[in-house]
Amino acid sequence: QSALTQPRSVSGSPGQSVTISCTGTSSDVGGYNYVSWYQQHPGKAPKLMIYDVSTRPSGVPDRFSGSKSGNTASLTISGLQAEDDADYYCCSYAGTYVHYVFGTGTKVTVL
Amino acid sequence: EVQLEESGGGLVKPGGSLRLSCAASGFSFTNAWMSWVRQAPGEGLEWLGLIKSYSHDGATTDYAAPVKGRFTISRDDSNYMLYLQMNSLKTEDTGVYYCTTVGSASFPDWGQGTLVTVSS
Repeated sequence: QSALTQPRSVSGSPGQSVTISCTGTSSDVGGYNYVSWYQQHPGKAPKLMIYDVSTRPSGVPDRFSGSKSGNTASLTISGLQAEDDADYYCCSYAGTYVHYVFGTGTKVTVL
Repeated sequence: EVQLEESGGGLVKPGGSLRLSCAASGFSFTNAWMSWVRQAPGEGLEWLGLIKSYSHDGATTDYAAPVKGRFTISRDDSNYMLYLQMNSLKTEDTGVYYCTTVGSASFPDWGQGTLVTVSS
């Protein structure tokens, strides 16, 4: 099972919006509404930011939003802030054999 | 507050074995599904496997293909502990190993990770 495809990096200035794509197949992203997103700062554990495609856990700012169309999921960060500078990973449920597959990861740089 | 603390990492030779532990607190561990995820140095995240709860799902386990047959996940509900037994270790198993809770097809809570280095 191959990793989901994410852009290696995206960047934006404070206050701008950035969108990270996560492309899979009909066996994972396209087949289930079970995409989650994780933020990871250097040397730290990942943090859940979005689950079930578009649901934010308690405490996650509403600047973070998720969506999906076909085999591609997206994470949008609106009103970019300095603390959003981090790596982001998508993850999708992929059925009872593969179970879970993560994306390749995207480095978000706040300019 | 959910707390997960991994331990047991270290240096091991190829072909060797290691058992990781994860101490859980702050939530109903007995009802929780738990998982292990690893991250090779400078690389992305990789799901390794999960264990369901005893009460609802008989503590059944599922594994990713690269570790199936070599890694075993177990739990001790009386002591709120999760384990990962790793056998026949390979150099490509090197990385930071995280224990996590399992939510709605997602991983809401993570430990700080423990580093495993497989090298001769």
